[in-house]
Amino acid sequence: DAGITQSPRYKITETGRQVTLMCHQTWSHSYMFWYRQDLGHGLRLIYYSAAADITDKGEVPDGYVVSRSKTENFPLTLESATRSQTSVYFCASSQTSGKGEQYFGPGTRLTVT
Amino acid sequence: GENVEQHPSTLSVQEGDSAVIKCTYSDSASNYFPWYKQELGKRPQLIIDIRSNVGEKKDQRIAVTLNKTAKHFSLHITETQPEDSAVYFCAAMPPEGSYIPTFGRGTSLIVHP
Repeated sequence: DAGITQSPRYKITETGRQVTLMCHQTWSHSYMFWYRQDLGHGLRLIYYSAAADITDKGEVPDGYVVSRSKTENFPLTLESATRSQTSVYFCASSQTSGKGEQYFGPGTRLTVT
Repeated sequence: GENVEQHPSTLSVQEGDSAVIKCTYSDSASNYFPWYKQELGKRPQLIIDIRSNVGEKKDQRIAVTLNKTAKHFSLHITETQPEDSAVYFCAAMPPEGSYIPTFGRGTSLIVHP
């Protein structure tokens, strides 16, 4: 579990501000994912990446931007934060040589005021 | 795309009782079904999984069963303990080549001492 980290762990920002959530993994897993978790909605996929420089939209991508220039990093940017983006954000990774089980980061609790 | 339904959304049991959480999936090609446990304030973690060529898998007090014909799988926890209290997520994974799971919405299990 220590192999995937997120920063910051807690963030309060104002509406309209840009904020970037960081995710770093040390396993060289090919796949990385960003989820948001809201009560009653479970885990909703925002974006995922199959490899460096390959990203694709998930279920709820609007208002978010991702990049993956290096295998180990997968930052998520909220270009202009809105109150509806208040949530807990989890980054995850998985390897293609295994079954595909996901390893989650510790999460970032984001509050948009 | 795949759709995973999970029931119940909340499950309350007495310590020592059994708990069963059920999931149905829509894509008959899905072949890997993991279960994740998320304790309060923590990250989801894999607790058990099953592949489509197996009907049942057991690990101490937890077991998972799979009915491919009916496209449903279940998590069984026997002799529940307070530390089993958590949110449990099921997921369905498509065949190799795509490592994007579809998650159920989660079940909040409460075990009363």
